[in-house]
Amino acid sequence: SYELTQPPSVSVSPGQTARIICSGDELPKQYAFWYKQKPGQAPVLVIYKDTERPSGIPERFSGSTSGTIVTLTISGVQAEDEADYYCQTVDSSGSYAIFGGGTKLTVL
Amino acid sequence: EVQLVESGGGLVQRGGSLRLSCAASGFTFSRYSMNWVRQAPGKGLEYVSAISDNGDRTHYANSVKGRFTISRDNSKNTLWLQMGSLRAEDMALYYCARGYCRGGNCYAFFDYWGQGTLVTVSS
Repeated sequence: SYELTQPPSVSVSPGQTARIICSGDELPKQYAFWYKQKPGQAPVLVIYKDTERPSGIPERFSGSTSGTIVTLTISGVQAEDEADYYCQTVDSSGSYAIFGGGTKLTVL
Repeated sequence: EVQLVESGGGLVQRGGSLRLSCAASGFTFSRYSMNWVRQAPGKGLEYVSAISDNGDRTHYANSVKGRFTISRDNSKNTLWLQMGSLRAEDMALYYCARGYCRGGNCYAFFDYWGQGTLVTVSS
């Protein structure tokens, strides 16, 4: 079955740039999406269709793609950005969601 | 304001059944696909099931196919997940999530989530 791979953890100091990568063989063919989840809270969509940002999401969140790797970039990281981040794509038919294992972002 | 409120979770014995509900408000329910996504304690997100806006198409993860049934009633703005033959690995927080739909097209990602309802499976 198709899988998305994320690093388990990323650490960054406040004000620095955090980059969280997600790799998968189907990513060149399908869009990627990113969710932020803080402890005890539901996930929140932060990037859709590789690079689009939903309304209300700060401009410091951006997405990019290159081949089989998609990247969530958080510029000028703030303490409130500390959370788990999940990438997601869809199967080849576009019918169902596939999630990566998640990356815990720690703000030092 | 979009709201999704899940209910129906609880403690159930292995092999038992449970029906989860999701009450939707703040948007035209009948225009959106709906989904269930679960998260086992301390683990990541796992897609469970999806249903089209009018309910004529459903999809299930392989892990629940044949045991779970998704359904909806657009007149009641309600989504359900009937869960049967429950296993220890089904224990999780179950989220109701709205599919992203624009211009009559729906996509398999999620723009709004409920707070979840917890399913605990005992042996």
